[in-house]
Amino acid sequence: QVQLQESGPGLVKPSGTLSLTCAVSGASISSDNWWSWVRQPPGKGLEWIVEIYPGSTRYPSGTTNYNPSLKSRVTLSVEKSTNQLSLNLSSVTAADTAVYYCARTKAATIDYWGQGTLVTVSS
Amino acid sequence: DIVMTQTPLSLSVTPGQPASMSCKSSQSLLYTTGKTHLYWYLQKPGQPPQLLIYEVSNRFSGVPDRFSGSGSGTDFTLKISRVEAEDVGVYYCMQSMQLPRYTFGQGTKLEIK
Repeated sequence: QVQLQESGPGLVKPSGTLSLTCAVSGASISSDNWWSWVRQPPGKGLEWIVEIYPGSTRYPSGTTNYNPSLKSRVTLSVEKSTNQLSLNLSSVTAADTAVYYCARTKAATIDYWGQGTLVTVSS
Repeated sequence: DIVMTQTPLSLSVTPGQPASMSCKSSQSLLYTTGKTHLYWYLQKPGQPPQLLIYEVSNRFSGVPDRFSGSGSGTDFTLKISRVEAEDVGVYYCMQSMQLPRYTFGQGTKLEIK
């Protein structure tokens, strides 16, 4: 069973950078899987942010897909040695306040989700 | 962008009764592979979404058979044959046909009478 656990600061100042980490267990990050971040503002719906395929032995080249509305502010990285993903979102405003979920995507769907972590943007 | 529109926005159902909700996409979700990229999720209060149905009508592992999905092209339906108390939450449909790669409907909130 794939398990994902998000972590990071719960409060970020406006214009700062939101940085989150996702620890993956039950699957190798470098196996034939994709990994995503999705967010949900309090009381609102779901917004997909970014997706990465880190590469595998069979397909060594990785690739990343971005939500065009967030692409200019998003950086995603993978640490294969610790089986973790990292998300950075720069120049944050109050509109970026949300629960951020790490998830696995496979066969064009999001099948396993972390519990999520709430990030509030406020001075 | 493909826009996903769900109706109704809320639903109140007596336990043991059926429930039905709709999802319409602004473009066909039928891919060249023959698969239709339409998925249903349930988000229970305080929890992350959980996958219920993939590719229109396939139940994900562990999902009870009272949940069923149907539809084609741009019109899709999720049905619960007999609602139970544990089914409360918000149901989302999602497409993965094109960038933004995954977009969600606004959700249908299911409550128990």
